[in-house]
Amino acid sequence: DIQMTQSPSNLSASVGDRVTITCRASQSISSRLAWYQQKPGTAPKLLIYTASTLEIGVPSRFSGSGSGTEFTLTISSLQPDDFATYYCQHYYNYPWTFGRGTKVEIK
Amino acid sequence: QVQLVQSGAEVKKPGASMMVSCKASGYTFVDYYIHWVRQAPGQGLEWMGWINPSRGGTKLAQEFRGRITLTSDTSSNTSYIELSRLRYDDTAVYYCARDLSYGNSGYFAYWGQGTLVTVSS
Repeated sequence: DIQMTQSPSNLSASVGDRVTITCRASQSISSRLAWYQQKPGTAPKLLIYTASTLEIGVPSRFSGSGSGTEFTLTISSLQPDDFATYYCQHYYNYPWTFGRGTKVEIK
Repeated sequence: QVQLVQSGAEVKKPGASMMVSCKASGYTFVDYYIHWVRQAPGQGLEWMGWINPSRGGTKLAQEFRGRITLTSDTSSNTSYIELSRLRYDDTAVYYCARDLSYGNSGYFAYWGQGTLVTVSS
């Protein structure tokens, strides 16, 4: 199984900060990577797919990059609504697996 | 609009079976795969498998094979997950989800509200 390693697992940031989350795959997954945002008690929300394609309706302050084994999710200017947990997920082969998540908290 | 509405919370004893339903609306049911993802309390997300409602074909994560059954009823636009021989570590919120694109894209744009299944003696 492909292991997805996210870092950091937690981060504290302030409104307006630029935030970068990294996701590393244990083997190449091409660009078959998605990012999700999850708030407590709710289902995940798709933010980005194919590593860098922004889902319709997702604010442009979110962006994704990378291919192969290393990927990043960047929030250019953190907003109050962005405090949540973020997960990466590969869909290169089965089983599709998720990272363990990065919790973004208010500093 | 696309909606996935799941059945309510359940409490089950170890060794029992659970079944969660996922009723779809707002799109052509047979055109998109339905996936199941679970999340143990305070933990991350785990993909369990998918079903193609059109033909009934499934793909299951290896760790659940032998315990999981995915089915769909095209007459009611509802998909089901059944998990047998429940263990304490099956306690989780179970989500159904739908692909963004036609068929099976691998990423999930639409999610049900989640169903908490608690395994407790």
